Amino acid sequence: AQKITQTQPGMFVQEKEAVTLDCTYDTSDPSYGLFWYKQPSSGEMIFLIYQGSYDQQNATEGRYSLNFQKARKSANLVISASQLGDSAMYFCAMREGGTGGFKTIFGAGTRLFVKA
Amino acid sequence: NAGVTQTPKFQVLKTGQSMTLQCAQDMNHNSMYWYRQDPGMGLRLIYYSASEGTTDKGEVPNGYNVSRLNKREFSLRLESAAPSQTSVYFCASSEARTGVREQYFGPGTRLTVT
Repeated sequence: AQKITQTQPGMFVQEKEAVTLDCTYDTSDPSYGLFWYKQPSSGEMIFLIYQGSYDQQNATEGRYSLNFQKARKSANLVISASQLGDSAMYFCAMREGGTGGFKTIFGAGTRLFVKA
Repeated sequence: NAGVTQTPKFQVLKTGQSMTLQCAQDMNHNSMYWYRQDPGMGLRLIYYSASEGTTDKGEVPNGYNVSRLNKREFSLRLESAAPSQTSVYFCASSEARTGVREQYFGPGTRLTVT
């Protein structure tokens, strides 16, 4: 069965520093996708980055990168040069299956606080 | 292009009442989803629809029913509301093809059951 674990309920980071948010997953499907979403206090869900299970390189999107360690089943989000606007909840999610896969589950989330 | 829209934004129900949450998307996506988010927690999948005409249970389907009315619309019905169903409900949609296929979320419906 699919499972996503985020073990850090809350994290603090100084503005302009980098921070890593942890995510581990469990699946028996060789084909899956991993996502990170941001949820600001306003409540909307914002897609940040995606990593496919067959992707050879770690995904990057601007200040966001995904540290994908397949053997360890981890997909940590790295935010470089943190900004005050990065303060939010961050959710890791996984979708099993290739073109036939649709069911996506989310972790419990990590609340990030960026200090000035 | 409105993306994913949900109605209503807020709702208060009494225990035992029924209601339907509406969701529509204008991105021509095949797949649609319903999630609930309890305070301080992540999203839990209630039901999803891979394509028009199909629906499947997610992690927490008990107490809910869904209808994929057409490609655009996916509704969630609470037949007999319970206080445990107090939550924020998110609808989402995604494309059904290879590649990233991230989900696009609606703004959410905040439901309180007293």
